[in-house]
Amino acid sequence: GAGVSQSPSNKVTEKGKDVELRCDPISGHTALYWYRQSLGQGLEFLIYFQGNSAPDKSGLPSDRFSAERTGGSVSTLTIQRTQQEDSAVYLCASSSGQAGQPQHFGDGTRLSIL
Amino acid sequence: TQLLEQSPQFLSIQEGENLTVYCNSSSVFSSLQWYRQEPGEGPVLLVTVVTGGEVKKLKRLTFQFGDARKDSSLHITAAQPGDTGLYLCAGERETSGSRLTFGEGTQLTVNP
Repeated sequence: GAGVSQSPSNKVTEKGKDVELRCDPISGHTALYWYRQSLGQGLEFLIYFQGNSAPDKSGLPSDRFSAERTGGSVSTLTIQRTQQEDSAVYLCASSSGQAGQPQHFGDGTRLSIL
Repeated sequence: TQLLEQSPQFLSIQEGENLTVYCNSSSVFSSLQWYRQEPGEGPVLLVTVVTGGEVKKLKRLTFQFGDARKDSSLHITAAQPGDTGLYLCAGERETSGSRLTFGEGTQLTVNP
C-alpha cells in the first residue's frame, strides 16, 4: 500500500486478556519497527525486524510481549495477559533498512486495558 | 535517564511569534530526525540531519545539528495556528543499529 497500515485503530480489552496488533508496512520496506507511546509522550522502542528476523528486541518490556514477522511483510505484536500499564498507543514504522533512511509511521493502535 | 532531553515540554504562543525547541544529549548520533505528530496520527518526518553543524530550512522552520552531533534545535519563525502539534526529535546511534531514540516531545500550541 501507499503507507504503513495498522489494525485495529482502537482496542479496548479487559485486564488479563491477550491482544494481537497488526502492522502492514510499505511495500518493499525490509525494516520494520514497533514503538510504544504513552499519552503526549515520546516514543519508546520495542523491537526491530530486518526481513523476518529480529536483531534487536531489547525494548520489549516483559516476556508477555512478543512479535513476529512473516514473508518479510506483515508483523504482529502480541501482548499476553494484559495489564493496565500496557495501555498506550502502539506505533509501527517501516523503512528501506539502510542507515539514515527515514522511518515512515502508521497511525497506531490505541490500546486501552480496563 | 532520558537519552535525548527535549525542551520545553509545553509551549503556548501567539500567532506571529518565534520559537525554538531544543534536543540535547551526551551521546553522539549518526543522524537526527525531527517529526511532527497530530492527535490520532503517527509521526510525520520533517527533516533528517546527518552532518555536524548542518542547517536545513523548510519554509519557516530551521533545523540545526550541533557540531559534535549531540544536540539539535528547531526554530519556527512567525508561527501559525497550523504549526500546532507535538514535535519530536529522534536520534540514530551508530551503536544501536537503525532503531531511533526519541525525545519526550514538545507540545506546541499556536493561538490565533
